Amino acid sequence: GAVVSQHPSRVICKSGTSVKIECRSLDFQATTMFWYRQFPKQSLMLMATSNEGSKATYEQGVEKDKFLINHASLTLSTLTVTSAHPEDSSFYICSARDLSGGGQPQHFGDGTRLSIL
Amino acid sequence: QKEVEQNSGPLSVPEGAIASLNCTYSDRGSQSFFWYRQYSGKSPELIMSIYSNGDKEDGRFTAQLNKASQYVSLLIRDSQPSDSATYLCAALYNFNKFYFGSGTKLNVKP
Repeated sequence: GAVVSQHPSRVICKSGTSVKIECRSLDFQATTMFWYRQFPKQSLMLMATSNEGSKATYEQGVEKDKFLINHASLTLSTLTVTSAHPEDSSFYICSARDLSGGGQPQHFGDGTRLSIL
Repeated sequence: QKEVEQNSGPLSVPEGAIASLNCTYSDRGSQSFFWYRQYSGKSPELIMSIYSNGDKEDGRFTAQLNKASQYVSLLIRDSQPSDSATYLCAALYNFNKFYFGSGTKLNVKP
């Protein structure tokens, strides 16, 4: 079964709306989670690294005031796209590392398809 | 972003043939490398990981790593139509960050 749950899977909303996406690790504690964005026919671009109990680390060119990340517990990270505009429409995917040993290097959520009208 | 380069394809091979996917990376500090398969609209699935120079085989898949040339490849033997997908190469940097290539689209024709 899924070890990382991402919700919602699909969002369609009007321009100017803020959208929150949740990423939960279901059976392990994740001190670090990652947020990616993928535009059509392009690769996953790392947006930020979410660190439990501290500020997220953003990649160059990603606006931290636009993409708010909160990692308040060892099993939950949230990404809020503030005042979303059509150019923010994309596929957002989170992942989490389970450092307890073995297995996958990172577990991906199922992604969130965000469409801003 | 660290550079991970792939040919976007599409790469078309007949069923039963060997598909060869290639990837180069720019940062010699990258420690580990991964091949993911991604179907349209879905999250990536891990196919192979490789950490040391040489070949690593797992079933129909063989990953090859050459750190001197900063080159990673994936061979798929006996390709099946179900292997048709986009294959993403990823490099792990600084033990904690993953950077992905743009992916190679593979079409396996029946």
